[in-house]
Amino acid sequence: EAQVTQNPRYLITVTGKKLTVTCSQNMNHEYMSWYRQDPGLGLRQIYYSMNVEVTDKGDVPEGYKVSRKEKRNFPLILESPSPNQTSLYFCASSPPGASVDTGELFFGEGSRLTVL
Amino acid sequence: TQLLEQSPQFLSIQEGENLTVYCNSSSVFSSLQWYRQEPGEGPVLLVTVVTGGEVKKLKRLTFQFGDARKDSSLHITAAQPGDTGLYLCAGAWLGADGLTFGKGTHLIIQP
Repeated sequence: EAQVTQNPRYLITVTGKKLTVTCSQNMNHEYMSWYRQDPGLGLRQIYYSMNVEVTDKGDVPEGYKVSRKEKRNFPLILESPSPNQTSLYFCASSPPGASVDTGELFFGEGSRLTVL
Repeated sequence: TQLLEQSPQFLSIQEGENLTVYCNSSSVFSSLQWYRQEPGEGPVLLVTVVTGGEVKKLKRLTFQFGDARKDSSLHITAAQPGDTGLYLCAGAWLGADGLTFGKGTHLIIQP
């Protein structure tokens, strides 16, 4: 089944404890992206990647890192999480050849992160 | 970052009623997408509109892109409880990388 898989789905952690949220897609998509969703603020892009070894900042990249060593994986790294990073995180990917403007985004099921 | 306004923010109506939600920007979109998100899941694409004045239909859902490509609407006819969810519009502007999402319209259809 074609899908975007995120892990963990739920995580409670403490301030300063490094964590990684993994994202993997099995659709051979080139474009991948991370979003955070917060009440009243909507979906905001954190980082995106047009292809392997190519990553760029989105609208809210502070406090996050990403890497794209393989086409299928795009992990989100929080080196020193803080309470303001408590949020619902979504990974998304888009098919090869699709424009970043009009290509369909396929989303994972989300990872709910709480930082105490 | 361009701003994209959605209205209303919340809407609760009875089954069988019609409704319209709106997505507006002060700038011209190069394209616009509508997504639907259910609790505990990621957004799922409903439609992409590109041409000013374009109208697309998906069963009881009608999507319209404004002539000037600064606004879009989603009209649902005879709403059903299964239409309940968060409706998100996402716009792209010329020269920008990727999509900007609106804050969404929370829609509840009561039986």
